[in-house]
Amino acid sequence: RKEVEQDPGPFNVPEGATVAFNCTYSNSASQSFFWYRQDCRKEPKLLMSVYSSGNEDGRFTAQLNRASQYISLLIRDSKLSDSATYLCVVNPNNFNKFYFGSGTKLNVKP
Amino acid sequence: ETGVTQSPTHLIKTRGQQVTLRCSSQSGHNTVSWYQQALGQGPQFIFQYYREEENGRGNFPPRFSGLQFPNYSSELNVNALELDDSALYLCASSYQSQAGTYEQYFGPGTRLTVT
Repeated sequence: RKEVEQDPGPFNVPEGATVAFNCTYSNSASQSFFWYRQDCRKEPKLLMSVYSSGNEDGRFTAQLNRASQYISLLIRDSKLSDSATYLCVVNPNNFNKFYFGSGTKLNVKP
Repeated sequence: ETGVTQSPTHLIKTRGQQVTLRCSSQSGHNTVSWYQQALGQGPQFIFQYYREEENGRGNFPPRFSGLQFPNYSSELNVNALELDDSALYLCASSYQSQAGTYEQYFGPGTRLTVT
């Protein structure tokens, strides 16, 4: 079983829509979680850290469900510029290993 | 911009050759991690360096090796290149806090093609 699993998508949504991605992780003792955004042929960029029960940053909300071992990312009022691949990242030991999912591709259309 | 730089940006090598990739970490960051990202996949952890020592390794063979220097910059060396080594190689720097939690910031990557 992979450490981190994501639905690859693509999710095709119109501008202004609300879209949500889920990501499951296998290690129940995992300590910290992140969402990264990656544009085509570019490096991943940190979008949000998710340390406890979740957090919100503008149109983006991340939630952690430890009981079911998943984290989610909700994007409200989607913009064309939100089109990218969203990578879920789990740091099981809160230290030196980060496990990335394969990413979920989002296409926001006019 | 994260302040993490990598060189070169692109590289073409022949199977069996050796390659060295370089990374300069963000100012104040004492930890550097290297990842391999194949097309359509997420980054795969290769290894991490903290204060010039290897500090964890993923499932990569010994022909992948590295170094970290006193200024926290780092090198990734790959010997006996194979076609499957063709990928984007990403360096990420971070600061390891006393609390143990930290975030990683990526450089732009080196795209390696092995022919």
